[in-house]
Amino acid sequence: DIQMTQSPSSLSASVGDRVTITCRASQSVNTYLNWYQQKPGKVPEVLIYSASSLQSGVPSRFSGSGSGTDFTLTISSLQPEDFATYHCQQSYKTPFTFGQGTKLE
Amino acid sequence: QVQLVQSGAEVKKPGASVRVSCKTSGYTFTSYYLHWVRQAPGQGLEWMGLINPSSGDTFLSRKFQGGVTITRDTSTSTVHLELRSLRSDDTAVYYCSREGGTPGTPLRWFDPWGQGTLVTVSS
Repeated sequence: DIQMTQSPSSLSASVGDRVTITCRASQSVNTYLNWYQQKPGKVPEVLIYSASSLQSGVPSRFSGSGSGTDFTLTISSLQPEDFATYHCQQSYKTPFTFGQGTKLE
Repeated sequence: QVQLVQSGAEVKKPGASVRVSCKTSGYTFTSYYLHWVRQAPGQGLEWMGLINPSSGDTFLSRKFQGGVTITRDTSTSTVHLELRSLRSDDTAVYYCSREGGTPGTPLRWFDPWGQGTLVTVSS
């Protein structure tokens, strides 16, 4: 199975900060990497698919980059509603594994 | 709009079975794969398996083979997840999700998601 490792596991930031979260795959997943946001008690929602494509309706302050094994999710200017947990997920090979999550607080 | 509505919370004893349902609407049921993902309390997301609603073919993560069955009912546009021989570490929120992207390729993501079903396994 492909292991997905996110760093950091938690991150303290303030409104207006630029935030970067990293996701590393144990083997290449090409660009088949998705990012989800999950607010407490809520359902995950896709932000970015295929490493860098912004899902419709997602604010442009979110961006993704990377290919192969190393990926990043960047929030250019943190807003109050962005405090949540972020999950990366590879869709290259089954099982479609997720990272352990990064809690932004 | 596309909706996935899941069945209600369940409390089961160890060794029992449970079935979680996911009723879909707002799109052609047979056109999109559906997936099951679970999340134990305070933990990350874990992909369990998928079903092709058109053919009924399923694919399960190796971890869940033998203890999990995914089925579909095309007459009601519903998919079901059955878990057998429940253990305490099966306590989790179980989500169904529709696949987005290009069917049959790695260009896929999960959107939207059902609201989740909490399954609690406790003696």
